[in-house]
Amino acid sequence: DSGVTQTPKHLITATGQRVTLRCSPRSGDLSVYWYQQSLDQGLQFLIQYYNGEERAKGNILERFSAQQFPDLHSELNLSSLELGDSALYFCASSAPSGGSYSGNTIYFGEGSWLTVV
Amino acid sequence: GNSVTQMEGPVTLSEEAFLTINCTYTATGYPSLFWYVQYPGEGLQLLLKATKADDKGSNKGFEATYRKETTSFHLEKGSVQVSDSAVYFCALSDNRNTPLVFGKGTRLSVIA
Repeated sequence: DSGVTQTPKHLITATGQRVTLRCSPRSGDLSVYWYQQSLDQGLQFLIQYYNGEERAKGNILERFSAQQFPDLHSELNLSSLELGDSALYFCASSAPSGGSYSGNTIYFGEGSWLTVV
Repeated sequence: GNSVTQMEGPVTLSEEAFLTINCTYTATGYPSLFWYVQYPGEGLQLLLKATKADDKGSNKGFEATYRKETTSFHLEKGSVQVSDSAVYFCALSDNRNTPLVFGKGTRLSVIA
């Protein structure tokens, strides 16, 4: 158990809909990262938050947005869903080091399986 | 930019065979290097890491040595087991507050 909790574990929804994925980082971790894993694209970094503020942005679509709340949990919002958005979405967290890695490990949750039909 | 290249799979081995999964990287400065493992139906788990040149990371019989001269971090295990069947990801951090960069993953299947 990594200590990173993601809900829901599985989600099936229709095209055009909107879903919210939730992540609770490990206790004490200030950084939260979202990754998308699909068969054809591999593991893609979406976005990073550090202590409530956006820190880095990767290949995140404009239809997607995220935020990190004062209690440090994070939500990833996916809207106007398309079939191609079907994937495993991972949240990860890392310990505070000014938000940098400096060799710090990031810990992954078990992921949220999203199926768009 | 930073990148990680790892050998394409799938790799299929018999139990007790020797495993090598190649990983090379491109980065400026002195990155930290990681191997993560993803067992079927699970999330990614850190397998081992190395934070400076010539460091050797090891865990569960797996080893990888940070080779700056060849920009490599190959994963090795002397005798694989069926339970090692998983997808292995090589990853890099440039230690400058940017997220991990992952390779595409290598699927390993070990047969009895």
